[in-house]
Amino acid sequence: DAGVIQSPRHEVTEMGQEVTLRCKPISGHNSLFWYRQTMMRGLELLIYFNNNVPIDDSGMPEDRFSAKMPNASFSTLKIQPSEPRDSAVYFCASSLAHGPPIQYFGAGTRLSVL
Amino acid sequence: TQLLEQSPQFLSIQEGENLTVYCNSSSVFSSLQWYRQEPGEGPVLLVTVVTGGEVKKLKRLTFQFGDARKDSSLHITAAQPGDTGLYLCAGAEQTGANNLFFGTGTRLTVIP
Repeated sequence: DAGVIQSPRHEVTEMGQEVTLRCKPISGHNSLFWYRQTMMRGLELLIYFNNNVPIDDSGMPEDRFSAKMPNASFSTLKIQPSEPRDSAVYFCASSLAHGPPIQYFGAGTRLSVL
Repeated sequence: TQLLEQSPQFLSIQEGENLTVYCNSSSVFSSLQWYRQEPGEGPVLLVTVVTGGEVKKLKRLTFQFGDARKDSSLHITAAQPGDTGLYLCAGAEQTGANNLFFGTGTRLTVIP
């Protein structure tokens, strides 16, 4: 299995631009999680989906952030417009909705907003 | 939001020394996990503990879940440079829930 695949690995953009992060979960996993990691705030849960349905988006910072999961093998996290304070490493993780809550993480996308 | 506090936040030790990392909360968890994250990668699961008082060993790593299922510890014996990384504890609030609450993290550096 290729594991959770995230793209791009690095993204550098200017303030005000739209940013789209992509994630392909492990095949057969039906839960998907988006996290943001910074030195100051650690690993924060932004939103998670079960069976493509958003369950909890209370961690999404503000309306500039949106996430979609159009099918079981693909999810996007979009920031529009981006701001310098959005600079962080964004992780996607997947797991089985039932059974031990073991999450498998992608390698992350390092976002820098100038 | 369930808060999991880890201590210490940073730890730098010499190769061969022993260390303990703590994960504390005021909340009860149905299970607790420990992950290790290396630079440029995502966290990777080390162990899951489920029963209060449970102790699990993984080579030189010993994990313990508190009797009340509110806290956990990770003890490393004879640390090696390969143990360097960010250690994260994560709790599942209730049985059947698959979202986790991650701790604040402990960044360990083992100096050769």
